[in-house]
Amino acid sequence: QVQLQESGPGLVKPSGTLSLTCAVSGGSISSSNWWSWVRQPPGKGLEWIGEIYHSGSTNYNPSLKSRVTISVDKSKNQFSLKLSSVTAADTAVYYCARDGEGGDTSDFDYWGQGTLVTVSS
Amino acid sequence: QSVLTQPPSASGTPGQRVTISCSGSSSNIGSNTVNWYQQLPGTAPKLLIYSNNQRPSGVPDRFSGSKSGTSASLAISGLQSEDEADYYCAAWDDSLNGHVVFGGGTKLTVL
Repeated sequence: QVQLQESGPGLVKPSGTLSLTCAVSGGSISSSNWWSWVRQPPGKGLEWIGEIYHSGSTNYNPSLKSRVTISVDKSKNQFSLKLSSVTAADTAVYYCARDGEGGDTSDFDYWGQGTLVTVSS
Repeated sequence: QSVLTQPPSASGTPGQRVTISCSGSSSNIGSNTVNWYQQLPGTAPKLLIYSNNQRPSGVPDRFSGSKSGTSASLAISGLQSEDEADYYCAAWDDSLNGHVVFGGGTKLTVL
């Protein structure tokens, strides 16, 4: 059973950089799956942030692309998210999820529990 | 404004059949498969339907999905109180180098 666990600071200052890590257990990050970040502002819907393959290939949401970097650490079986120049609009629950195979899918079959990140001074 | 359009709310009584629509365009639903997610309050989303109409193991056959052209639908038959949740559709969008798009979500209330 694949399990994902997000970790990182719950509070980030405006104009700072949000950094989160997703640890994968029960499966290998070097499988044929892609790995994604999805966020959900309080009381609002889901927004896809981007995805990464174990080779390092990435796809990003065009609306966030200029501020997002997703990386992978195969030795630790984890992947990470960095979102720069954050504002209050970036306050959200951030989820990591396992994506399907191929990089052009939207079937997230395993999710982390989510972590709330608040942007505030 | 979400790329995929869903009704903000839906409702039904126990035992009833309800449907939730998801409307897109040729670059997303029209050329890629649709997936549906169920999100119970305070929990992470759960994959409910994948590849338009396939159910993951453990999802009751009361849930079904369909797709036609640039629209998709989720149907729930034999509605139960535990089905009260938010439902989201999602698809890959081929525009702008490709990305995932979600619907705005539909809150289902079991009366």
